Amino acid sequence: AQSVSQHNHHVILSEAASLELGCNYSYGGTVNLFWYVQYPGQHLQLLLKYFSGDPLVKGIKGFEAEFIKSKFSFNLRKPSVQWSDTAEYFCAVLNQGGKLIFGQGTELSVKP
Amino acid sequence: NAGVTQTPKFRILKIGQSMTLQCTQDMNHNYMYWYRQDPGMGLKLIYYSVGAGITDKGEVPNGYNVSRSTTEDFPLRLELAAPSQTSVYFCASSYSKAGPRSYEQYFGPGTRLTVT
Repeated sequence: AQSVSQHNHHVILSEAASLELGCNYSYGGTVNLFWYVQYPGQHLQLLLKYFSGDPLVKGIKGFEAEFIKSKFSFNLRKPSVQWSDTAEYFCAVLNQGGKLIFGQGTELSVKP
Repeated sequence: NAGVTQTPKFRILKIGQSMTLQCTQDMNHNYMYWYRQDPGMGLKLIYYSVGAGITDKGEVPNGYNVSRSTTEDFPLRLELAAPSQTSVYFCASSYSKAGPRSYEQYFGPGTRLTVT
């Protein structure tokens, strides 16, 4: 069964710092990968996704993620975070049954 | 479009009570899902549906039931509430397999349920 692991449970950064959140998935053939964000008190929203093609995927709000097949990774990055990026971030992989498998989530706190 | 709507937003249940969490989407999505979210555990799939009249179990279906009589609605039923069902419940919907936006899930605002 496919699985997703997010190693960082809670990350605390100051504004303007660079961000990288780790995401590793188990091998399952063709992979389709997603990052979702959940702002405090809100529902999950799609940040970006990778299905095929360019392994560097750009999403909304200046986020990007790089699919590295050899490392089974899909890390999320942002060069300069803002206080408004405070949220929980979830990595997910689409399994062969067409269902999303989510990681445990990483809580990001950005200090102004 | 309202997207995915859920009611109620909050609910407190006593052990053994039953309730139905409502979910409606107006995007004509075939696929719908119910998740529960517990701290540090991510989202776990409870049930899903690929179309009206078709439902299937997800990862954590015990204690829940669903039905899908229309494309728009996908209610989740708790028959005998237990403290272990205290959680935040999210409904989601997505396009079917074909198309550039396939499998992008759109989430509702959630229902926070406490069972005491």
